[in-house]
Amino acid sequence: QKEVEQDPGPLSVPEGAIVSLNCTYSNSAFQYFMWYRQYSRKGPELLMYTYSSGNKEDGRFTAQVDKSSKYISLFIRDSQPSDSATYLCAMSPRSEKLVFGKGTKLTVNP
Amino acid sequence: GAGVSQSPSNKVTEKGKDVELRCDPISGHTALYWYRQSLGQGLEFLIYFQGNSAPDKSGLPSDRFSAERTGGSVSTLTIQRTQQEDSAVYLCASSPQGSYNEQFFGPGTRLTVL
Repeated sequence: QKEVEQDPGPLSVPEGAIVSLNCTYSNSAFQYFMWYRQYSRKGPELLMYTYSSGNKEDGRFTAQVDKSSKYISLFIRDSQPSDSATYLCAMSPRSEKLVFGKGTKLTVNP
Repeated sequence: GAGVSQSPSNKVTEKGKDVELRCDPISGHTALYWYRQSLGQGLEFLIYFQGNSAPDKSGLPSDRFSAERTGGSVSTLTIQRTQQEDSAVYLCASSPQGSYNEQFFGPGTRLTVL
């Protein structure tokens, strides 16, 4: 079992839809959870950063962490074509070495 | 301010040749990381530098890979005797002191080994 599992998609939704992206993990030592957005042929861009369990909201984006289930989610409300990208979850036990999921490719259709 | 920059953006080389990839981190960032992203794969950690401490090389896939960081700033990743399986995008990231999980990535170097 890989440490971090992420459905690669692709996921295609109409503009305005609510998007749910998810990752599961096996290492109970993970404490820090991140979501990155990566546009084609660009480097990943940090979107959300959460420590331990709970929710965090930033504009149209909400990150949720459920450590009891070893499950994290990213919700995108009122999705826009500009949200079309690959979304990568990442996590680490305490610092430095992030373990990434393979990424989910999202397309938002106008 | 300027972000992380990497050069070259693309590199095509022949099997068996050595290549050097360069990373300029964000000014003032103390930590620097190298990752590899292969087609259809997630980012794979390669090496991590933090200040003057010895680098964490635990992710380097073989002794053909090495990296150095001069003056606590610019870093070079060297791959010797390149193989076709080394073809990937090599990404560099940096982070400020005390925020090691908030890593800022460069655009990457796309390496193709023929």
